[in-house]
Amino acid sequence: GAGVSQSPSNKVTEKGKDVELRCDPISGHTALYWYRQRLGQGLEFLIYFQGNSAPDKSGLPSDRFSAERTGESVSTLTIQRTQQEDSAVYLCASSSSGSSYNEQFFGPGTRLTVL
Amino acid sequence: GENVEQHPSTLSVQEGDSAVIKCTYSDSASNYFPWYKQELGKRPQLIIDIRSNVGEKKDQRIAVTLNKTAKHFSLHITETQPEDSAVYFCAAKEYGNKLVFGAGTILRVKS
Repeated sequence: GAGVSQSPSNKVTEKGKDVELRCDPISGHTALYWYRQRLGQGLEFLIYFQGNSAPDKSGLPSDRFSAERTGESVSTLTIQRTQQEDSAVYLCASSSSGSSYNEQFFGPGTRLTVL
Repeated sequence: GENVEQHPSTLSVQEGDSAVIKCTYSDSASNYFPWYKQELGKRPQLIIDIRSNVGEKKDQRIAVTLNKTAKHFSLHITETQPEDSAVYFCAAKEYGNKLVFGAGTILRVKS
């Protein structure tokens, strides 16, 4: 079946503009995660959705960042008033349930460049 | 919260040699430790994982060991091949399905 997909694959924007990144998880996966990966760096946790529970937003770096998820499907990550330091690859991942040992499947990422 | 440290940051080995990457974690309640491999320009993919009730797990040339007392776990790759060249990330489960990742190790296998 289809894996996690993300769109767009690349986004170039000007400083101060808002951007919206989309993630389509694997069908039936109840958990969804957003990570940020700066060039040559590790995976920085941003936000975690689990079913209908309140999302864990503890990784969002500022109030310019927000994310939504409709039920157990698509999620969008919105960055308002983008800054150059927001330039990174934004990765989405999903896993099949809230139990402890489920593999996270990653999407291909969206490469965001803020000029 | 959980904190994961990973060493070394870069590792170069000759083809056929073994490679070892080490990670330490801070939260003794963590009970799941996956390893992900990320090839250049590609997405991270799970290569092996271990649960806290097991001390070692092997899958062909890859093995992971866990020392709960010392709160560290290691990835071992034997008979390295050029296609093993990638960035490797360790992680520890904090709660639910949330993972905290190490900073990554760039492995270069020289042929």
